[in-house]
Amino acid sequence: NAGVTQTPKFQVLKTGQSMTLQCAQDMNHNSMYWYRQDPGMGLRLIYYSASEGTTDKGEVPNGYNVSRLNKREFSLRLESAAPSQTSVYFCASSAWGAGTDTQYFGPGTRLTVL
Amino acid sequence: AQTVTQSQPEMSVQEAETVTLSCTYDTSESDYYLFWYKQPPSRQMILVIRQEAYKQQNATENRFSVNFQKAAKSFSLKISDSQLGDAAMYFCAYRSALGTDKLIFGTGTRLQVFP
Repeated sequence: NAGVTQTPKFQVLKTGQSMTLQCAQDMNHNSMYWYRQDPGMGLRLIYYSASEGTTDKGEVPNGYNVSRLNKREFSLRLESAAPSQTSVYFCASSAWGAGTDTQYFGPGTRLTVL
Repeated sequence: AQTVTQSQPEMSVQEAETVTLSCTYDTSESDYYLFWYKQPPSRQMILVIRQEAYKQQNATENRFSVNFQKAAKSFSLKISDSQLGDAAMYFCAYRSALGTDKLIFGTGTRLQVFP
């Protein structure tokens, strides 16, 4: 049971480049989330998907797009990377609506934008 | 909007001693959940303990326990018999019982454990 997996683990981009962060979970969870973690600021929600086929903005959505490809996969896309998007990105999932509320996190992706 | 505040950027404790990490939150809701997550140097976010606001009894998980004061909106984490492996960042988080289960995190407390 792998839980929540993220690829890649590390990435360096130049300003203006695009990339997609991949996330997959094998726990049959309904809800999935993307957070970013910056020094001194804790984790902030970028986008979330309460169920397959739905996505909603979180606290800091600007500059990002998401796709809930199916129940297992939730990707985060940076169309034109900026240095302000240098951060550690975490994907999480939960079985919200099924009687439990714990979020399980992936190992994170460290992204640097030069 | 709900907010979570961790006023201790860093704490330290001697091995085998007890340490308490503070967390306060602000909400107008009466039903919600509170969590403590641990983030070791590996960056993995690990759930330590959770508390339902409607439960008066404080949650405990082995050496970890909370002091939940609903009226004061305080949710502190006590680590007993501290071990070197407890060294990590600790994040307090809030989740409303309404709507989706988005987590609102505090800024974290870095815990150092000395032998």
